[in-house]
Amino acid sequence: ETGVTQSPTHLIKTRGQQVTLRCSSQSGHNTVSWYQQALGQGPQFIFQYYREEENGRGNFPPRFSGLQFPNYSSELNVNALELDDSALYLCASSLTDNEQFFGPGTRLTVL
Amino acid sequence: EDQVTQSPEALRLQEGESSSLNCSYTVSGLRGLFWYRQDPGKGPEFLFTLYSAGEEKEKERLKATLTKKESFLHITAPKPEDSATYLCAVVSGANSKLTFGKGITLSVRP
Repeated sequence: ETGVTQSPTHLIKTRGQQVTLRCSSQSGHNTVSWYQQALGQGPQFIFQYYREEENGRGNFPPRFSGLQFPNYSSELNVNALELDDSALYLCASSLTDNEQFFGPGTRLTVL
Repeated sequence: EDQVTQSPEALRLQEGESSSLNCSYTVSGLRGLFWYRQDPGKGPEFLFTLYSAGEEKEKERLKATLTKKESFLHITAPKPEDSATYLCAVVSGANSKLTFGKGITLSVRP
């Protein structure tokens, strides 16, 4: 059974640029959630996708957007990057309301 | 709004010295409380889910308990490899988002 994978591992961007992060969910999981984790903090919920539809959103501006594909993999897109967007971005997959299993994360640095 | 507070922020133990990590929560309709372990620069690793007050779960040297206001993660005779950040999170209401605390950084000295 393959776990949650994310790409890329690390990414460096400059202010104003756009970035796309990718996540492959664990086999059989139909729900994907994205979280942002700043240094020294707990993860903060960005949004969740269930069967290709957004199923809840946290307190993040519209420049954070996402997609879920028919195979349940997902993308997180961030436009007009700001310095404060520097963080570890985590993807978690689950089967409906069950436990969420996290990927290794993508470390984004905005200069 | 759901709130999760973990204490202490950091804990240093000698190998074999048992202790407990605390997670206090304020939610409207708890649907589940989760414990995760996170190593530096990595994603959180699932440990336990607790659903109702009085419930307990164990895994190796770890035991998680739940009351109506808080959860404890008891570590018995810890080893250096137990050093990590331990995160507590809750799910409540109609959504399934996890609301996390800031985590407790545990360091176990040999």
